[in-house]
Amino acid sequence: GIQVEQSPPDLILQEGANSTLRCNFSDSVNNLQWFHQNPWGQLINLFYIPSGTKQNGRLSATTVATERYSLLYISSSQTTDSGVYFCAVQSGAGSYQLTFGKGTKLSVIP
Amino acid sequence: DSGVTQTPKHLITATGQRVTLRCSPRSGDLSVYWYQQSLDQGLQFLIQYYNGEERAKGNILERFSAQQFPDLHSELNLSSLELGDSALYFCASSPPGTTTQYFGPGTRLLVL
Repeated sequence: GIQVEQSPPDLILQEGANSTLRCNFSDSVNNLQWFHQNPWGQLINLFYIPSGTKQNGRLSATTVATERYSLLYISSSQTTDSGVYFCAVQSGAGSYQLTFGKGTKLSVIP
Repeated sequence: DSGVTQTPKHLITATGQRVTLRCSPRSGDLSVYWYQQSLDQGLQFLIQYYNGEERAKGNILERFSAQQFPDLHSELNLSSLELGDSALYFCASSPPGTTTQYFGPGTRLLVL
């Protein structure tokens, strides 16, 4: 099956700093989603981005499907951005399940 | 709030017992997915239903089963529970014609 690798595994930032999280995948994808899992365990949809670039406030994401990677940018980080960021992909015709990476654990300190 | 609801939020039970987790998808969504998040395995797909029919199976144990009812809510049944079944169980749904999945708040299961 498809492999999803996220880097870095852990990231500690000072409040106000910017960061880039990376997701590499091993095959072509029909769907790619970024999620934020907050400290209470909730998985929050950030982006649906199988290709191209999207922005939502301080967050933006870019997927280069031909090169099999996606990037999530967080600018002017806040303590509420802390948590785990997951990249998940869907690959193959008729296959609707999401395969998740292991996540990047982000800690934003004041 | 994704619009997907799951009950209960927390569940504590003993080894050997059976539990049922419930999920209501977003209004209009026909697909329901179940995922398990454990410390050692990460987030893994278990099973998908579409409009009452099983559509895809992932790493779901034989002790686990699921169904989707005519009103589109779904239940995940876990039986002969073991300590290793302790995990966060998520339900997700997606609208017809799209592949975007929206996740519920999860049910945290602790098997003692």
